[in-house]
Amino acid sequence: DAGVTQSPTHLIKTRGQQVTLRCSPKSGHDTVSWYQQALGQGPQFIFQYYEEEERQRGNFPDRFSGHQFPNYSSELNVNALLLGDSALYLCASSWGLAGAYEQYFGPGTRLTVT
Amino acid sequence: AQSVSQHNHHVILSEAASLELGCNYSYGGTVNLFWYVQYPGQHLQLLLKYFSGDPLVKGIKGFEAEFIKSKFSFNLRKPSVQWSDTAEYFCAVNDPGGFKTIFGAGTRLFVKA
Repeated sequence: DAGVTQSPTHLIKTRGQQVTLRCSPKSGHDTVSWYQQALGQGPQFIFQYYEEEERQRGNFPDRFSGHQFPNYSSELNVNALLLGDSALYLCASSWGLAGAYEQYFGPGTRLTVT
Repeated sequence: AQSVSQHNHHVILSEAASLELGCNYSYGGTVNLFWYVQYPGQHLQLLLKYFSGDPLVKGIKGFEAEFIKSKFSFNLRKPSVQWSDTAEYFCAVNDPGGFKTIFGAGTRLFVKA
């Protein structure tokens, strides 16, 4: 049973560029949440997707956007990258309206903005 | 706004020592509480959770946590740590009506063999 997968593993971008990160949820899961984890900090909630809709959003600017596809996979897009966007981006999946209750995390995508 | 505070950022213990990691949260209503663990080179994974009922919950690998509502605390304990418990531990909270999980900053535990 495949767990949560994320791609790419690492990414280096320049300030002002745009980036797309991808996530495939664990088999049987239909809800995907995205988190940003800066060095030395805990994960910070960006947003959650269920039935292809953004269900809730954390305190992140509109430069951060997402999408969920009919197969439940998801993308996180970040526009106009800033140096402060450098972080580990985690995807977590869960099942149904229980939402964030039981989450399974992927390995993350390490984004470096130069 | 909800927040989670973990008291210790780094803890160093010898094998067989007892462990207690502190966690306090700020939220006035009913909450769901979690401890997650990240072993070196591995994904973040759920250690244990509290939704309701017995405030003393047991998780994997001999860990337990006690929910004390009056103190807004959910401390993690283990009677005797092993070298393999070296990891980073995160306390987290979310309210049952919402979908947002708030994490603490984490505690890095190093167990000396």
